[in-house]
Amino acid sequence: GAVVSQHPSWVICKSGTSVKIECRSLDFQATTMFWYRQFPKQSLMLMATSNEGSKATYEQGVEKDKFLINHASLTLSTLTVTSAHPEDSSFYICSARDPREGADTQYFGPGTRLTVL
Amino acid sequence: ILNVEQSPQSLHVQEGDSTNFTCSFPSSNFYALHWYRWETAKSPEALFVMTLNGDEKKKGRISATLNTKEGYSYLYIKGSQPEDSATYLCAFSGGEGKLIFGQGTTLQVKP
Repeated sequence: GAVVSQHPSWVICKSGTSVKIECRSLDFQATTMFWYRQFPKQSLMLMATSNEGSKATYEQGVEKDKFLINHASLTLSTLTVTSAHPEDSSFYICSARDPREGADTQYFGPGTRLTVL
Repeated sequence: ILNVEQSPQSLHVQEGDSTNFTCSFPSSNFYALHWYRWETAKSPEALFVMTLNGDEKKKGRISATLNTKEGYSYLYIKGSQPEDSATYLCAFSGGEGKLIFGQGTTLQVKP
């Protein structure tokens, strides 16, 4: 299957700082990438859909000014958590759709654990 | 609001036991149902994608069935091994490109 990397795997930052998370498709070109957030003991919740060369589409309730998404190339999408606060502490995971495959199959990175002090 | 439910939430079995768990999803606007296997500190791994009512898929000791009319899928593991310990996620697709995930079933296989 296709491989997606995500960096960093964990990050600790001070309240008020910004944190950037990278998601890369390593062996395919991904026109669409997705960003999810997972709270403890809950499902993966879709935050936004990122399309290469255009603005991301955010799910209801997700602040687009807080969670900046950039998808500047076919293999890289970034999520920046701006002015992070302790309530932003969570597990963030990205995925990418391989356009050669159907049925909305997504391939996932290993995730990033963000802790805001 | 579309809801995907998985049960049980967690499961502890002995090595060699066979086990199964359930994913319930909306029966309307069905496009595909995905199963993923997620080990700690790794990426979720795609196991199966199922699109047709009555589909049965198999990969080694793991198999899955699909009933789109009643909105459920079963995942079976025959002769569980410690390396099967993971969280198993199912995800529903209504054909809009998005996946809606269940909470997962965490399986622990004791040697």
